[in-house]
Amino acid sequence: DTGVSQDPRHKITKRGQNVTFRCDPISEHNRLYWYRQTLGQGPEFLTYFQNEAQLEKSRLLSDRFSAERPKGSFSTLEIQRTEQGDSAMYLCASSLSSTGWEKLFFGSGTQLSVL
Amino acid sequence: AQTVTQSQPEMSVQEAETVTLSCTYDTSESDYYLFWYKQPPSRQMILVIRQEAYKQQNATENRFSVNFQKAAKSFSLKISDSQLGDAAMYFCAYRSAFTGNQFYFGTGTSLTVIP
Repeated sequence: DTGVSQDPRHKITKRGQNVTFRCDPISEHNRLYWYRQTLGQGPEFLTYFQNEAQLEKSRLLSDRFSAERPKGSFSTLEIQRTEQGDSAMYLCASSLSSTGWEKLFFGSGTQLSVL
Repeated sequence: AQTVTQSQPEMSVQEAETVTLSCTYDTSESDYYLFWYKQPPSRQMILVIRQEAYKQQNATENRFSVNFQKAAKSFSLKISDSQLGDAAMYFCAYRSAFTGNQFYFGTGTSLTVIP
Protein backbone atom coordinates (compact mmCIF):
# COMPACT_ATOMS: atom_id res chain seq x y z
CA ASP A 1 0.00 0.00 0.00
CA THR A 2 1.63 3.23 -1.11
CA GLY A 3 -1.04 5.61 0.19
CA VAL A 4 -1.14 7.71 3.34
CA SER A 5 -1.46 5.56 6.42
CA GLN A 6 -2.55 6.58 9.89
CA ASP A 7 -2.27 4.76 13.15
CA PRO A 8 -4.27 3.94 15.16
CA ARG A 9 -7.63 3.90 13.37
CA HIS A 10 -9.48 4.33 16.63
CA LYS A 11 -8.42 5.65 20.02
CA ILE A 12 -10.49 5.78 23.17
CA THR A 13 -9.02 7.63 26.10
CA LYS A 14 -10.03 9.15 29.38
CA ARG A 15 -10.13 12.88 29.89
CA GLY A 16 -6.77 14.19 31.00
CA GLN A 17 -4.70 11.52 29.31
CA ASN A 18 -2.17 12.19 26.56
CA VAL A 19 -2.55 10.62 23.14
CA THR A 20 -0.27 10.43 20.12
CA PHE A 21 -1.21 9.70 16.54
CA ARG A 22 1.08 8.77 13.70
CA CYS A 23 0.91 9.54 10.01
CA ASP A 24 3.05 8.00 7.29
CA PRO A 25 2.74 10.06 4.11
CA ILE A 26 3.40 8.92 0.57
CA SER A 27 7.15 8.56 0.46
CA GLU A 28 8.05 11.24 -2.08
CA HIS A 29 5.63 13.82 -0.71
CA ASN A 30 7.26 16.77 1.00
CA ARG A 31 4.13 18.39 2.39
CA LEU A 32 2.11 17.00 5.24
CA TYR A 33 -1.08 18.36 6.76
CA TRP A 34 -3.13 17.57 9.84
CA TYR A 35 -6.86 18.24 9.81
CA ARG A 36 -9.60 17.68 12.36
CA GLN A 37 -13.10 16.68 11.36
CA THR A 38 -16.12 16.57 13.65
CA LEU A 39 -19.47 15.06 12.81
CA GLY A 40 -21.35 17.09 10.24
CA GLN A 41 -18.41 19.36 9.52
CA GLY A 42 -15.74 19.55 6.91
CA PRO A 43 -12.06 19.08 7.72
CA GLU A 44 -10.57 21.92 9.73
CA PHE A 45 -6.92 22.82 9.24
CA LEU A 46 -4.62 22.22 12.20
CA THR A 47 -1.06 22.41 10.96
CA TYR A 48 1.20 21.95 7.97
CA PHE A 49 4.78 20.80 7.34
CA GLN A 50 7.06 21.28 4.41
CA ASN A 51 9.70 18.60 4.85
CA GLU A 52 10.59 18.74 8.55
CA ALA A 53 9.64 22.38 9.05
CA GLN A 54 6.30 23.23 10.60
CA LEU A 55 5.37 26.25 8.52
CA GLU A 56 1.84 26.98 9.58
CA LYS A 57 -0.30 26.35 12.59
CA SER A 58 -3.96 27.16 13.07
CA ARG A 59 -4.73 29.84 15.64
CA LEU A 60 -7.44 27.50 16.84
CA LEU A 61 -4.85 24.96 17.89
CA SER A 62 -4.33 25.12 21.63
CA ASP A 63 -0.99 24.67 23.36
CA ARG A 64 -2.04 21.15 24.28
CA PHE A 65 -1.51 20.13 20.66
CA SER A 66 1.93 19.55 19.23
CA ALA A 67 3.06 18.03 16.00
CA GLU A 68 6.42 16.91 14.71
CA ARG A 69 7.83 15.60 11.50
CA PRO A 70 11.38 14.45 12.18
CA LYS A 71 13.55 14.12 9.10
CA GLY A 72 10.64 15.08 6.90
CA SER A 73 9.20 11.58 6.91
CA PHE A 74 6.39 10.42 9.21
CA SER A 75 4.59 12.83 11.48
CA THR A 76 3.13 12.59 14.96
CA LEU A 77 0.35 14.63 16.50
CA GLU A 78 0.20 14.66 20.28
CA ILE A 79 -2.66 15.94 22.38
CA GLN A 80 -1.87 16.49 26.04
CA ARG A 81 -4.46 16.52 28.82
CA THR A 82 -7.26 15.54 26.46
CA GLU A 83 -10.69 17.09 26.83
CA GLN A 84 -14.04 15.83 25.65
CA GLY A 85 -14.07 18.56 23.02
CA ASP A 86 -11.04 16.93 21.42
CA SER A 87 -13.19 14.02 20.29
CA ALA A 88 -13.02 14.06 16.50
CA MET A 89 -11.56 12.39 13.45
CA TYR A 90 -7.96 13.46 12.90
CA LEU A 91 -6.99 13.35 9.26
CA CYS A 92 -3.54 13.43 7.78
CA ALA A 93 -2.89 14.39 4.18
CA SER A 94 0.25 14.65 2.10
CA SER A 95 1.15 16.23 -1.20
CA LEU A 96 3.99 17.00 -3.53
CA SER A 97 4.34 20.75 -3.58
CA SER A 98 3.60 22.48 -6.82
CA THR A 99 2.31 25.91 -7.69
CA GLY A 100 -1.31 25.84 -6.72
CA TRP A 101 -2.15 22.54 -8.35
CA GLU A 102 -1.63 20.83 -5.09
CA LYS A 103 -3.47 17.53 -4.80
CA LEU A 104 -3.96 16.27 -1.29
CA PHE A 105 -3.87 12.56 -0.59
CA PHE A 106 -5.68 11.72 2.61
CA GLY A 107 -5.29 8.93 5.08
CA SER A 108 -8.27 7.13 6.58
CA GLY A 109 -8.00 9.10 9.79
CA THR A 110 -7.79 8.39 13.50
CA GLN A 111 -11.09 8.54 15.35
CA LEU A 112 -10.51 9.89 18.86
CA SER A 113 -13.09 9.46 21.59
CA VAL A 114 -12.43 11.17 24.91
CA LEU A 115 -14.55 9.84 27.75
CA ALA B 1 -10.35 33.49 6.58
CA GLN B 2 -12.16 32.32 3.54
CA THR B 3 -15.48 30.57 4.03
CA VAL B 4 -16.94 27.80 1.93
CA THR B 5 -20.66 27.12 2.10
CA GLN B 6 -22.47 24.00 1.03
CA SER B 7 -26.16 24.64 1.55
CA GLN B 8 -27.35 21.11 0.82
CA PRO B 9 -26.60 18.78 3.74
CA GLU B 10 -28.18 15.86 1.89
CA MET B 11 -29.03 15.07 -1.71
CA SER B 12 -30.33 11.99 -3.47
CA VAL B 13 -30.35 10.89 -7.08
CA GLN B 14 -31.68 7.97 -9.02
CA GLU B 15 -29.07 5.72 -10.53
CA ALA B 16 -28.16 6.87 -14.07
CA GLU B 17 -29.62 10.33 -13.47
CA THR B 18 -27.80 13.64 -13.06
CA VAL B 19 -27.36 15.56 -9.84
CA THR B 20 -25.82 18.94 -9.05
CA LEU B 21 -24.20 19.80 -5.73
CA SER B 22 -23.91 23.45 -4.79
CA CYS B 23 -20.98 25.36 -3.32
CA THR B 24 -20.41 29.04 -2.72
CA TYR B 25 -17.39 30.71 -1.24
CA ASP B 26 -16.37 34.07 0.07
CA THR B 27 -13.05 35.63 -0.87
CA SER B 28 -11.54 38.95 -1.80
CA GLU B 29 -8.69 37.32 -3.70
CA SER B 30 -8.46 37.31 -7.45
CA ASP B 31 -6.68 34.01 -7.89
CA TYR B 32 -7.36 30.77 -6.12
CA TYR B 33 -8.10 27.11 -6.63
CA LEU B 34 -11.30 25.22 -6.03
CA PHE B 35 -11.71 21.52 -5.44
CA TRP B 36 -14.33 18.87 -4.92
CA TYR B 37 -13.37 15.99 -2.67
CA LYS B 38 -15.32 12.78 -2.13
CA GLN B 39 -15.36 10.92 1.17
CA PRO B 40 -16.91 7.45 0.86
CA PRO B 41 -18.03 5.53 3.91
CA SER B 42 -14.50 4.08 4.18
CA ARG B 43 -13.51 7.67 5.16
CA GLN B 44 -10.53 8.19 2.88
CA MET B 45 -11.06 11.42 0.99
CA ILE B 46 -10.16 11.51 -2.67
CA LEU B 47 -9.97 14.34 -5.15
CA VAL B 48 -12.79 14.41 -7.69
CA ILE B 49 -12.10 17.54 -9.70
CA ARG B 50 -10.30 20.90 -9.45
CA GLN B 51 -10.55 24.30 -11.05
CA GLU B 52 -8.23 27.30 -11.34
CA ALA B 53 -9.99 30.61 -10.81
CA TYR B 54 -8.27 32.36 -13.70
CA LYS B 55 -9.45 29.71 -16.14
CA GLN B 56 -12.89 30.44 -17.51
CA GLN B 57 -13.34 27.00 -18.97
CA ASN B 58 -15.14 24.65 -16.62
CA ALA B 59 -13.21 21.56 -15.58
CA THR B 60 -14.44 18.12 -16.59
CA GLU B 61 -13.37 14.67 -15.43
CA ASN B 62 -15.35 11.91 -17.10
CA ARG B 63 -18.84 11.99 -15.54
CA PHE B 64 -17.95 14.89 -13.23
CA SER B 65 -18.03 18.49 -14.32
CA VAL B 66 -18.21 21.85 -12.61
CA ASN B 67 -20.06 25.06 -13.23
CA PHE B 68 -17.71 27.80 -12.10
CA GLN B 69 -19.23 31.25 -11.83
CA LYS B 70 -16.46 33.53 -10.58
CA ALA B 71 -18.53 36.69 -10.25
CA ALA B 72 -21.16 34.84 -8.25
CA LYS B 73 -18.47 32.94 -6.29
CA SER B 74 -20.22 29.71 -7.09
CA PHE B 75 -18.67 26.33 -7.84
CA SER B 76 -21.19 23.55 -8.35
CA LEU B 77 -20.46 19.92 -9.14
CA LYS B 78 -22.49 18.01 -11.67
CA ILE B 79 -22.46 14.22 -11.62
CA SER B 80 -23.86 12.65 -14.75
CA ASP B 81 -25.04 9.05 -15.13
CA SER B 82 -24.90 8.57 -11.37
CA GLN B 83 -23.61 5.24 -10.13
CA LEU B 84 -24.02 3.47 -6.81
CA GLY B 85 -20.34 4.05 -6.13
CA ASP B 86 -20.91 7.80 -6.22
CA ALA B 87 -22.67 7.62 -2.86
CA ALA B 88 -20.49 9.57 -0.43
CA MET B 89 -19.95 12.86 1.33
CA TYR B 90 -18.79 15.54 -1.06
CA PHE B 91 -16.74 18.45 0.17
CA CYS B 92 -16.03 21.65 -1.68
CA ALA B 93 -12.66 23.23 -0.87
CA TYR B 94 -10.87 26.51 -1.52
CA ARG B 95 -7.14 27.26 -1.60
CA SER B 96 -5.59 30.65 -2.05
CA ALA B 97 -3.02 31.14 -4.78
CA PHE B 98 -1.21 33.68 -2.62
CA THR B 99 -1.60 33.34 1.11
CA GLY B 100 -0.85 30.29 3.17
CA ASN B 101 -1.31 26.68 2.33
CA GLN B 102 -4.61 25.97 3.97
CA PHE B 103 -7.42 24.28 2.21
CA TYR B 104 -10.77 25.57 3.46
CA PHE B 105 -13.51 22.98 3.34
CA GLY B 106 -17.28 23.30 3.35
CA THR B 107 -19.51 21.26 5.64
CA GLY B 108 -20.22 18.67 2.99
CA THR B 109 -23.17 17.22 1.11
CA SER B 110 -24.19 13.62 1.69
CA LEU B 111 -25.18 12.06 -1.62
CA THR B 112 -27.40 9.00 -1.74
CA VAL B 113 -27.78 7.07 -4.98
CA ILE B 114 -31.06 5.22 -5.28
CA PRO B 115 -30.96 2.01 -7.32
